Amino acid sequence: DQQVKQNSPSLSVQEGRISILNCDYTNSMFDYFLWYKKYPAEGPTFLISISSIKDKNEDGRFTVFLNKSAKHLSLHIVPSQPGDSAVYFCAASESTGFQKLVFGTGTRLLVSP
Amino acid sequence: DVKVTQSSRYLVKRTGEKVFLECVQDMDHENMFWYRQDPGLGLRLIYFSYDVKMKEKGDIPEGYSVSREKKERFSLILESASTNQTSMYLCASSLPGDTPAYEQYFGPGTRLTVT
Repeated sequence: DQQVKQNSPSLSVQEGRISILNCDYTNSMFDYFLWYKKYPAEGPTFLISISSIKDKNEDGRFTVFLNKSAKHLSLHIVPSQPGDSAVYFCAASESTGFQKLVFGTGTRLLVSP
Repeated sequence: DVKVTQSSRYLVKRTGEKVFLECVQDMDHENMFWYRQDPGLGLRLIYFSYDVKMKEKGDIPEGYSVSREKKERFSLILESASTNQTSMYLCASSLPGDTPAYEQYFGPGTRLTVT
């Protein structure tokens, strides 16, 4: 039972354009959400997070949007750069739990020059 | 600079062998985690530990065990390796209640092939 879903396995975008990566979740107890980026042969690295008390969080070129009623979050990258090409995982957690993260299946982003 | 290291980047083992994957972190983190990453399945939690000698099962613990004798070291053990345990294994650590909360730091991964 996949509690966190990333329905697009891959996404191709041109340099300078916007990349939008989507993530859906089913567990209404999740109240903290994170995005990780993973390059080949490296471990995932933390990118940006958002608490359920917010609907938007911004960090430079990266913005995460949360729609609690739809149980949906998205990561916007503007402008996209070739160095952003990687696999992006969204993850969710319950603040009352042990802080386990439940990861999605990942979306491979390719930004072409 | 935070650091999580894993003992091997690549490992090839035979079916039935006992396999040890080692993870060390130098950040004095209480929490440590073992995941496996498979295509189309994302990262799945195998085991985690919130203190020395403490361990909890994750979502897919079958066929695995763990050991945490020291705070900085968390070992994953495959008692009798099978081909369906061929995967990328990732170790991570985090502080409880850290800010930003729940952020986990990952090692580079060990690609294990069981033949």
